[in-house]
Amino acid sequence: EVQLVESGGGLVQPGGSLRLSCAASGFTFSTYEMNWVRQAPGKGLEWVSYISSSGSTIYYADSVKGRFTSSRDNAKNSLYLQMNSLRAEDTAVYYCARGPVVPQSMDLWGQGTTVTVSS
Amino acid sequence: DIQMTQSPSTLSASVGDRVSITCRASQTISGWLAWYQQKPGKAPKLLIYKVSSLESGVPSRFSGSGSGTEFTLTISSLQPDDFATYYCQQYNTYPLTFGGGTKVEIK
Repeated sequence: EVQLVESGGGLVQPGGSLRLSCAASGFTFSTYEMNWVRQAPGKGLEWVSYISSSGSTIYYADSVKGRFTSSRDNAKNSLYLQMNSLRAEDTAVYYCARGPVVPQSMDLWGQGTTVTVSS
Repeated sequence: DIQMTQSPSTLSASVGDRVSITCRASQTISGWLAWYQQKPGKAPKLLIYKVSSLESGVPSRFSGSGSGTEFTLTISSLQPDDFATYYCQQYNTYPLTFGGGTKVEIK
């Protein structure tokens, strides 16, 4: 089955760290660009980070730049998001999403993992 | 950054209604415009890409149109399964940006 499964979310104190993982299956992960997108409670979608298929090109939203690090391990079919210096405003459901695969945009999403930053 | 503005933010409609949602980009995005549907507690689902191309498996009652900076998602005959929140998104340049969302509610 073609799917993405996120894990690693949880409750963390402000200033703390968390590492999210996204496990891909059912497709050739190494050939796809990937993104992280988050959604704060009751709010809309916010793009967080992009990583190219090889991992050589990475972009970040200004809101997380310098605090979050995206990476991938194509041998393990896995995508990661290392989140440091977490703030209350980082509280959200974090989704990994496949693509864009031109001409499509992000065509496959995981179920999401919840990150709560609170003391 | 490219700003995406959706309207309305909420739409009340009945089963069988034709509904339209508008999305405006702050600058041209060369047609790299997608629409997503999201239901409570679920991940977004890609409906339309490149302005008007229907994603595989999406019912034909969904259609997209527009050009330049103004785009529209139309549902020709609203079905019970269509009550959800809809987002537009540009993928012309990074950072990728989404519209604020349109919640389609039962009238």
